[in-house]
Amino acid sequence: GENVEQHPSTLSVQEGDSAVIKCTYSDSASNYFPWYKQELGKRPQLIIDIRSNVGEKKDQRIAVTLNKTAKHFSLHITETQPEDSAVYFCAASTQGTALIFGKGTTLSVSS
Amino acid sequence: GAGVSQSPRYKVAKRGQDVALRCDPISGHVSLFWYQQALGQGPEFLTYFQNEAQLDKSGLPSDRFFAERPEGSVSTLKIQRTQQEDSAVYLCASSLRITGIYEQYFGPGTRLTVT
Repeated sequence: GENVEQHPSTLSVQEGDSAVIKCTYSDSASNYFPWYKQELGKRPQLIIDIRSNVGEKKDQRIAVTLNKTAKHFSLHITETQPEDSAVYFCAASTQGTALIFGKGTTLSVSS
Repeated sequence: GAGVSQSPRYKVAKRGQDVALRCDPISGHVSLFWYQQALGQGPEFLTYFQNEAQLDKSGLPSDRFFAERPEGSVSTLKIQRTQQEDSAVYLCASSLRITGIYEQYFGPGTRLTVT
């Protein structure tokens, strides 16, 4: 079955810096890759997603890139703010079925 | 509009008790998913429904776990004879999942503590 690896497990940046989180997946049939942000005690919230027919997608300060050949995808956050501090999860899915999640990255943005 | 809701938000059960967790998906969402999230970990898939049909239950950890969605809307996850290792947050998500719309929206979860 699918396996998703996520790095780093923790990431500390200064306000205004960029943050990059990377994930790899194993199943070449996976074609949908969402990213979720989860604050302590809250539900995971979808922040951006990408499909396998697209190489890059951007939404304001957030962007995601996908390399199908290498089976990896990355989340880029620019101009980080303290409110970006949270746990971020990548996930992979085939045709919108079960999401297989990475273990998460705890992002801390200090002002 | 209203998002995914779950009840109860917190449940304490003594080892060996049965529990039932409820999920109300977003109205009109065809697909419904259950995930288990242990402390400090990512959500792990349990089972998935499309309308009332349970299409995948490969993630259910044992036969003590059972899920149903009899009318294709509300779903219940039942855990029989709870064990301490069942302590986790149980998340429900729903999705339109039609014509390539794959986004899954999560409920707030039920935190289950087995003592």
